[in-house]
Amino acid sequence: RKEVEQDPGPFNVPEGATVAFNCTYSNSASQSFFWYRQDCRKEPKLLMSVYSSGNEDGRFTAQLNRASQYISLLIRDSKLSDSATYLCVVNGGFSGGYNKLIFGAGTRLAVHP
Amino acid sequence: EAQVTQNPRYLITVTGKKLTVTCSQNMNHEYMSWYRQDPGLGLRQIYYSMNVEVTDKGDVPEGYKVSRKEKRNFPLILESPSPNQTSLYFCASSLATYTEAFFGQGTRLTVV
Repeated sequence: RKEVEQDPGPFNVPEGATVAFNCTYSNSASQSFFWYRQDCRKEPKLLMSVYSSGNEDGRFTAQLNRASQYISLLIRDSKLSDSATYLCVVNGGFSGGYNKLIFGAGTRLAVHP
Repeated sequence: EAQVTQNPRYLITVTGKKLTVTCSQNMNHEYMSWYRQDPGLGLRQIYYSMNVEVTDKGDVPEGYKVSRKEKRNFPLILESPSPNQTSLYFCASSLATYTEAFFGQGTRLTVV
């Protein structure tokens, strides 16, 4: 089982749609959770951190479910500019002596007019 | 402006010709990493460094070397590149190993 798993997509949605991505992680000791956005052939950039209580930033909402070990990202009112790959990132717990970030392979979103 | 700078952005080289990709950060971060990204495989860690003169292997270290002589710089060295090292490479830095990572713009390497 991969440490962080995401549906690769692509998710093809029209402008204005609401789209949700899920991500599961294997280490129950994980404490840090993030969503990153990566445009084609560019560097990943932090979209938002994910907190236990859930958090919202404009059209984006992130949720954490520790019991089921998954995090989600909801995008409302999709824009063309939201087209990108969304990476789920989780800290892997102390493995090999240190606590590092584990990146999912990403979910691709394509928003069309 | 806080940033991670990688050079070069694009590189085409031949098998066996040693090359170095530079990485520099201006955020005084202790932790730095190198990743490679290949289609369908996501980001895989090559090497990381906890601080000056402290480096260690990541998940895919074969064929790579690194050094950390100064806090801000973390170059990636390919002593004898091979075609299977053709990839998109990213350098990243962060305050700690489990906090937000800041990435350089990437280096697209092709080995022929």
